[in-house]
Amino acid sequence: GNSVTQMEGPVTLSEEAFLTINCTYTATGYPSLFWYVQYPGEGLQLLLKATKADDKGSNKGFEATYRKETTSFHLEKGSVQVSDSAVYFCALSDNYGQNFVFGPGTRLSVLP
Amino acid sequence: DAGVIQSPRHEVTEMGQEVTLRCKPISGHDYLFWYRQTMMRGLELLIYFNNNVPIDDSGMPEDRFSAKMPNASFSTLKIQPSEPRDSAVYFCASSLFTYTEAFFGQGTRLTVV
Repeated sequence: GNSVTQMEGPVTLSEEAFLTINCTYTATGYPSLFWYVQYPGEGLQLLLKATKADDKGSNKGFEATYRKETTSFHLEKGSVQVSDSAVYFCALSDNYGQNFVFGPGTRLSVLP
Repeated sequence: DAGVIQSPRHEVTEMGQEVTLRCKPISGHDYLFWYRQTMMRGLELLIYFNNNVPIDDSGMPEDRFSAKMPNASFSTLKIQPSEPRDSAVYFCASSLFTYTEAFFGQGTRLTVV
């Protein structure tokens, strides 16, 4: 079945540092890929998405590129802020019955 | 649209009691998902519906858990009887198609004492 693997962290960075959170997936067919963010006490919010190979999703300075050849969807941001402190989830979904498989989440803490 | 609406936001109940969690999906979304989140197990898919019909309930932990979707705008997740190990945050989410993004509610934090 489909699965998502991501670095579990926690990841601690200083403000303005570069962020990479790795995500790789296993899937049959061609899934859509997502990054969600969860702030304390809240539900998951969609951060960005990509629906086909080589698509780049971007939002709020975060980017991720759908790499079919390496089955990866790594999340990057050039300069993190304290307000980016949250848990980040990589996820995939397809139309073959395996819906929204989530990775374990990566907790990011950004220090001023 | 107000997004996915869950109620209650917090629930504290005694072991053995029945608990009902409620969800109103985004209007027009054909898919509804129930998830459970704990520190130990992360985010687990419990069950999902398509056009009000349960499609996959393999994630439901045991017979104490049941879910219904009587119409397109309402779903319930019931635990009877509840146990302390059921304590978790339960999320409802909805999506238009299986390959489009899911929108999550704020969650219900359940504590069973």
